[in-house]
Amino acid sequence: AQSVTQLGSHVSVSEGALVLLRCNYSSSVPPYLFWYVQYPNQGLQLLLKYTSAATLVKGINGFEAEFKKSETSFHLTKPSAHMSDAAEYFCAVSGGGSTLGRLYFGRGTQLTVWP
Amino acid sequence: NAGVTQTPKFHILKIGQSMTLQCTQDMNHNYMYWYRQDPGMGLKLIYYSVGAGITDKGEVPNGYNVSRSTTEDFPLRLELAAPSQTSVYFCASNKDSYEQYFGPGTRLTVT
Repeated sequence: AQSVTQLGSHVSVSEGALVLLRCNYSSSVPPYLFWYVQYPNQGLQLLLKYTSAATLVKGINGFEAEFKKSETSFHLTKPSAHMSDAAEYFCAVSGGGSTLGRLYFGRGTQLTVWP
Repeated sequence: NAGVTQTPKFHILKIGQSMTLQCTQDMNHNYMYWYRQDPGMGLKLIYYSVGAGITDKGEVPNGYNVSRSTTEDFPLRLELAAPSQTSVYFCASNKDSYEQYFGPGTRLTVT
């Protein structure tokens, strides 16, 4: 069965610092992987996705993530944090077989950006 | 193209009452989903549908029911509401690319 672990429920960085949000997955089939962002009182918005093409994926707002099969990881990074990046971030892995089309979400990481 | 819309945005329900959360998508997506989001718990799948007339249970279906009579609509029914159903509910849809598109959510309080 597919599952996602996000290390760190809260991450705090200073404005201009590197952002690193960790995601590890387990999947019984080659996965599709996603990062979503949720701003306060809003729905989830897709940041980026890995669908078995390039292992380094670039998304919106300067974020990127690298798929590492040997480490079963898909960590999200941004070189320089901005105040507007403060939000909750969710990693998700696709289902397979009888769960085709479904996504399995991690518990989320709340990112705080200090001025 | 409105995407995924949900109504209502907010609602307060008394214990034991019933209500229906509405979800509509205009992207001709065959898959639709209902999630609930509780603080620190991520998203839990309640029910999903792979097409009109076909629904299936997710991880946390107890206390809920769904129907899918059209491609566009996927209402979620709460029967005999309980305080444990206080949550934020999200509807989502996708086609074949796995990427799910989310609605803005319904914040429900059962008191």
